Amino acid sequence: AIRMTQSPSSFSASTGDRVTITCRASQGISSYLAWYQQKPGKAPKLLIYAASTLQSGVPSRFSGSGSGTDFTLTISCLQSEDFATYYCQQYYSYPPGLTFGGGTKVEIK
Amino acid sequence: QVTLRESGPALVKPTQTLTLTCTFSGFSLSTSGMCVSWVRQPPGKALEWLALIDWDDDKYYSTSLKTRLTISKDTSKNQVVLTMTNMDPVDTATYYCARSGIYGVTRGAFDIWGQGTMVTVSS
Repeated sequence: AIRMTQSPSSFSASTGDRVTITCRASQGISSYLAWYQQKPGKAPKLLIYAASTLQSGVPSRFSGSGSGTDFTLTISCLQSEDFATYYCQQYYSYPPGLTFGGGTKVEIK
Repeated sequence: QVTLRESGPALVKPTQTLTLTCTFSGFSLSTSGMCVSWVRQPPGKALEWLALIDWDDDKYYSTSLKTRLTISKDTSKNQVVLTMTNMDPVDTATYYCARSGIYGVTRGAFDIWGQGTMVTVSS
């Protein structure tokens, strides 16, 4: 099974900061990667698919990059509503191969 | 508008079988390429994909849980049902159903999720 490793697992940042979250796959997954945002008590929300394509309605301050094994999610100017946990998910060998990373919690500094 | 909603018991006892229903609207699971999955999340932990059923009634399961899971659909009722046998306290989690497709660049991404249902396993 393909394993997804996110780093860091959590960090603190301030409104206006540029933040980057990393996701690494245990084997090459081309660009079959999605990013989700999850707020406490809520379902995950799809932000990015195909590694870099913004889902409709998602603010342009979010961007994704990478291919193969290394991926990043960048928030260019952190807003108050962006404090949440972010998950990557690979779908290279789908179906059924679907695995999530362990999550990265972005907290207020 | 596409929506999914999970329903089922909030509390089950160890060794019992859990049955969850996902009722959806705004799309049809008989449409070519459409899929519905179940994903769970233990309190404070990461998401874990459990099972998927597609428009053609193909079924896929998590390798680690496949002996305990059964997924099925009732297209006429717009429902997907998940059963999990031999429940254990470690299965305590919020269970989500989510939609995905099988074609194109979005094919494995979950674009719409239900709100989730919390299931506690305790005697």
